[in-house]
Amino acid sequence: GAVVSQHPSRVICKSGTSVKIECRSLDFQATTMFWYRQFPKQSLMLMATSNEGSKATYEQGVEKDKFLINHASLTLSTLTVTSAHPEDSSFYICSARDATGDGQPQHFGDGTRLSIL
Amino acid sequence: GQNIDQPTEMTATEGAIVQINCTYQTSGFNGLFWYQQHAGEAPTFLSYNVLDGLEEKGRFSSFLSRSKGYSYLLLKELQMKDSASYLCAAMDSNYQLIWGAGTKLIIKP
Repeated sequence: GAVVSQHPSRVICKSGTSVKIECRSLDFQATTMFWYRQFPKQSLMLMATSNEGSKATYEQGVEKDKFLINHASLTLSTLTVTSAHPEDSSFYICSARDATGDGQPQHFGDGTRLSIL
Repeated sequence: GQNIDQPTEMTATEGAIVQINCTYQTSGFNGLFWYQQHAGEAPTFLSYNVLDGLEEKGRFSSFLSRSKGYSYLLLKELQMKDSASYLCAAMDSNYQLIWGAGTKLIIKP
């Protein structure tokens, strides 16, 4: 089945550090990837939709200059949290849509737990 | 606006049956999805309904009524490992998923 690899799985760093999270579709082409954030005991919150070769579409309230998204190929999207602060600590999850269509709207990576000290 | 409603928490007994309800309001409709999410992990796909009726997959079944904007996930022969959050998501006319807040299911021995 379709596999999405997300790396790293956990990051602990100091305030002011920039953190890059990678999301790769391993055995399918993903023209669209999604980035979510999930705070404890809350549901997934869509941050942005990333289309290969074009600028990401950010949801209302998400700062595009703080959360930089690059989707340079059909198998890789990256999210960079710039100058991270403790309030950015959260569980970040990426997902990818199989361009061929396989009955599932999105395949999820395992998530990245980001802790800013 | 677009909205998904599901109970915040439910408790059931090991070996029993539980039904988790979900109502939705979306701009257009392209299917209703259920996901399971264990604490600290990403969601995993359980089921997809786009036509009215019941879809059965092992111990899990999912039902959809498009006219009522209603779905449920039925879990039979509950096991302790079924303790998780269950997320209902509806796909709108733009093929975007609208997520519910999730139902935390607690299984007791």
